[in-house]
Amino acid sequence: QSALTQPASVSGSPGQSITISCTGTSSDVGRYNYVSWYQQHPGKAPKLMVYDVTNRPSGVSNRFSGSKSGSTASLTISGLQAEDEADYYCGSYTNSSTWVFGGGTKLTVL
Amino acid sequence: EVQLVESGGGLVKPGGSLRLSCAASGFAFSSFAMNWVRQAPGKGLVWVSSISSGATYTSYADSVKGRFTISRDNANNLLYLQMNSLRAEDTAVYYCAREGYSYLFDFWGQGTLVTVSS
Repeated sequence: QSALTQPASVSGSPGQSITISCTGTSSDVGRYNYVSWYQQHPGKAPKLMVYDVTNRPSGVSNRFSGSKSGSTASLTISGLQAEDEADYYCGSYTNSSTWVFGGGTKLTVL
Repeated sequence: EVQLVESGGGLVKPGGSLRLSCAASGFAFSSFAMNWVRQAPGKGLVWVSSISSGATYTSYADSVKGRFTISRDNANNLLYLQMNSLRAEDTAVYYCAREGYSYLFDFWGQGTLVTVSS
């Protein structure tokens, strides 16, 4: 199972919006609406930010939103804040009953 | 409060074995599937293995199939990962993660570092 494809890095200024893409295949992202997104600060455990493509867990800011078109999912962060600077990973369930993550995207808040 | 605490990491020689544990608390452990996810130094997340709530079903990444075994003790709220024939490329922080109700990892432990080196 190959990793999902994410851009290595994205950046934006405070208050701006950014979008991180996550491209998979018809065996994972394109097959199921089971795409989730995780935020990871240096030295910390990942934190769930979005699940089932568009849903946010309780306590996650509504500045985080997800979408999907075909085999590409996206995470949009609006109103960028300094605390959003972190690594972001997408993940998807697959038709092999396994999981696959993206390679990760480093978000820099300028 | 949901808590997952991993232990058992350390330095091991290539070809050696190690057993990781994850102690769960704050939720009905026996009702949730559990997973192991690893992260090599400076690299991304990689899913390793999954076990269903009742331990009936297990699955593994191709890279560890035949070498790693996932198991659980629902009576004592413990998750395990037995790692055999370890290789340098298995060096990583290993996280246990709870699989939520809809194909997601909703809680993660802080991880335990496994270093495979001679």
